[in-house]
Amino acid sequence: SQQGEEDPQALSIQEGENATMNCSYKTSINNLQWYRQNSGRGLVHLILIRSNEREKHSGRLRVTLDTSKKSSSLLITASRAADTASYFCATGANSKLTFGKGITLSVRP
Amino acid sequence: DAGVIQSPRHEVTEMGQEVTLRCKPISGHNSLFWYRQTMMRGLELLIYFNNNVPIDDSGMPEDRFSAKMPNASFSTLKIQPSEPRDSAVYFCASSSTRQTNTEAFFGQGTRLTVV
Repeated sequence: SQQGEEDPQALSIQEGENATMNCSYKTSINNLQWYRQNSGRGLVHLILIRSNEREKHSGRLRVTLDTSKKSSSLLITASRAADTASYFCATGANSKLTFGKGITLSVRP
Repeated sequence: DAGVIQSPRHEVTEMGQEVTLRCKPISGHNSLFWYRQTMMRGLELLIYFNNNVPIDDSGMPEDRFSAKMPNASFSTLKIQPSEPRDSAVYFCASSSTRQTNTEAFFGQGTRLTVV
């Protein structure tokens, strides 16, 4: 069964706009991670946030985590056409890493 | 390091045949994951190993699927006999859990088509 559930399922924005993607999960976690997958490729790790952290930044990425609501959000600022990909949240607990179904982001040039 | 290496990249086989997918994790990583990705079901965790020992195989669909990790540098996922519904992209990933909270590194995947 899926642990993380992302929303929206698909998002289309104009280049330069910000993209916000959300993830909800069900059970206790040690950390939550976000990954990107370009078409036909494997997943690439973007950012990890620990369960005792609330916000984390990496370049144009900002991740928040609310353990009371069991939810996380990924914000990509000043989006680029190259950000077009599928984005997945993954929950880590006891060495196990479980993924949601992903969000398809399209950035129009 | 060359990253996680999977082989073959593509596999087309007839229903009923045995299929073996291979994975070489990143040297030094002690956790290895097998995932299956389809449009309908997304990315499903099939099984994961920690220090070469299977920890959770609850995601393995049925007895036709088996996975082994004979040593720290090699793992196989076998489907016998294969069926058309097994068609998917199979990913192997590895990570280091000696430290807490580490990222997983994915291979490029094996696209399996069962006809």
